[in-house]
Parts: sequence; structure tokens; C-alpha cells
Amino acid sequence: QKEVEQDPGPLSVPEGAIVSLNCTYSNSAFQYFMWYRQYSRKGPELLMYTYSSGNKEDGRFTAQVDKSSKYISLFIRDSQPSDSATYLCAMSATRPDSWGKLQFGAGTQVVVTP
Amino acid sequence: DAGVTQSPTHLIKTRGQQVTLRCSPKSGHDTVSWYQQALGQGPQFIFQYYEEEERQRGNFPDRFSGHQFPNYSSELNVNALLLGDSALYLCASSFRTLRSLHFGNGTRLTVT
Repeated sequence: QKEVEQDPGPLSVPEGAIVSLNCTYSNSAFQYFMWYRQYSRKGPELLMYTYSSGNKEDGRFTAQVDKSSKYISLFIRDSQPSDSATYLCAMSATRPDSWGKLQFGAGTQVVVTP
Repeated sequence: DAGVTQSPTHLIKTRGQQVTLRCSPKSGHDTVSWYQQALGQGPQFIFQYYEEEERQRGNFPDRFSGHQFPNYSSELNVNALLLGDSALYLCASSFRTLRSLHFGNGTRLTVT
């Protein structure tokens, strides 16, 4: 079993809809949670960063972390065709031997149709 | 302000050969991490360099080695290439803190 599970999609939504993405994980030591966006032939770009449990909002993006369920989510409101990309969740523990080591999910491909 | 730059962008090698990939971190960053991303998968951590030393290493064989130079740039070397080493190799830089990880656009390595 992988430490981080993420549905690969593709997830197709009409323009203006809410995109809902999620990841589950098994390592209870994970404390830092991130969402990256990756366009085709590009490197990942950090969208959201959350430490421990809770919600965080930034413009059209909302990240949620539920450590009790080992479940994280990303919501994209008012989706645009430019949001079409692969979304990767990533997480890390705080132990010294985990410093700098991100564990990624496989990524979910999102397609927003005009 | 230049971001993370990687060279070359594409590379084709033959099984058994050796390859060197290069990375220049974002200005002001002193830590470089390398990741391997197979097609349809998320990036996998290879290792991280800080102060010219390998600080952390993922589950990769010794065929994968690296180096960090005094100007913080870095190289990833892979010896005895296997077909399974075909992937996108990503370099990420940060100023020590984990959350400010900036990725380059990667080097796509094809092993035939």
C-alpha cells in the first residue's frame, strides 16, 4: 500500500463548477500538507501549504486537512479552462530524518471544459 | 528573477551509459532536492543537498549520486542506466525551509 493515495482521474468539469480533489494517507507522522499544480511539460507549482489540521483559503482555492481521518482536500471554485492541469498532493513529516523529503500522490488530472 | 533552471531539457541515452543532469537553484536558495517522476506518477524523492553535503536520501540505489557546488548549483549523476530510469527528473530548490520548494521544468531522460 502506498503512503499517499490519490485518484488519477481524469476529472472533467464544466467551466464555473467547483473542483473537488482529495488524498488519503497512512503515515500519522505527516504534519505538512501541500498541493501542487503541474501543467503538461512543466514542473510542479506550489498552490497551497498547510501545517497540521484545519482549513486554508487563498482566492479560489481552499485546502482542508483532517488528520483524524488522514484525509486532505483541495477545492477550486469558479473553475476556468486554465485550471486544466494535474494536481498533486504532497506531505512530509517533521522528524529530522524526513527533513526536505516530500511524499507525493500520483496526481489527479483535471479537465475544465468551456 | 530566474527561477530554477535545469539542463538539458531532453536527453536520450543507451542502456548501460552514464548521464549527468544539471540544476541551478532560484536566486537566494541554498538547498537543492532531486526527484524522479515516471509517466503518470507523482515525483519520488531521490536526495537533497545542503552545504555541499547529501542530507537526506530516498529509496534509490547507489547508481544515483549527486553533488552540490559552492554556488549552490547541483548535478545528478546516474550510472549504468536501465530502461526503468526513463523519467522526468525534477530539481527543486529552497532556502532551507521545506514549504518554499520551487521546482524547475525538469529533464526528460529516455533510456533505449
